Amino acid sequence: DSGVTQTPKHLITATGQRVTLRCSPRSGDLSVYWYQQSLDQGLQFLIQYYNGEERAKGNILERFSAQQFPDLHSELNLSSLELGDSALYFCASRSSNSPLHFGNGTRLTVT
Amino acid sequence: DQQVKQNSPSLSVQEGRISILNCDYTNSMFDYFLWYKKYPAEGPTFLISISSIKDKNEDGRFTVFLNKSAKHLSLHIVPSQPGDSAVYFCAADSTVGSNYKLTFGKGTLLTVNP
Repeated sequence: DSGVTQTPKHLITATGQRVTLRCSPRSGDLSVYWYQQSLDQGLQFLIQYYNGEERAKGNILERFSAQQFPDLHSELNLSSLELGDSALYFCASRSSNSPLHFGNGTRLTVT
Repeated sequence: DQQVKQNSPSLSVQEGRISILNCDYTNSMFDYFLWYKKYPAEGPTFLISISSIKDKNEDGRFTVFLNKSAKHLSLHIVPSQPGDSAVYFCAADSTVGSNYKLTFGKGTLLTVNP
């Protein structure tokens, strides 16, 4: 158990809809990262938050947004969903001098 | 533009033998490298890392080798066990600057046969 909790585990929705993925980081970790893993792709970095502030952006679409709340949990919002957004979305957290610890992911299926 | 490449999508080895997983990178700014292991329905878990100031790092049955001039690293598992069967991801980072942002390869599926 990595200590990173992601909900829900599975999400099935239709094109055009909006969904919210939730992540609770390991206790004490201030940094939260979001990654996307599409079919046959590696983990693509989306965005990083540190103690509530956005720190870095990767290949995140404008239809996607994220935030980190005062209690350090984070949400990834995906809107105007397309079939190609179907993927595994991983959240990870870390503290200084530690590697990333990943949650078990949310599998999003857009139909 | 894939900066971290794992050219073998899969690898099959016999239990007790050595497993060698390879990874190439193109970004000269990368100076910290990690291997993650992933079982189905779970998130990746950290396995071992190496800094560019070293060329080898060992942790039990796992050894990572780094060849900076070739921009190549490899993970050796000796002896391989059936429980090692998983997808292995190579990841790289540039520690210049304050952000820690890993770039991952696509992964190699290792199957260890009893």
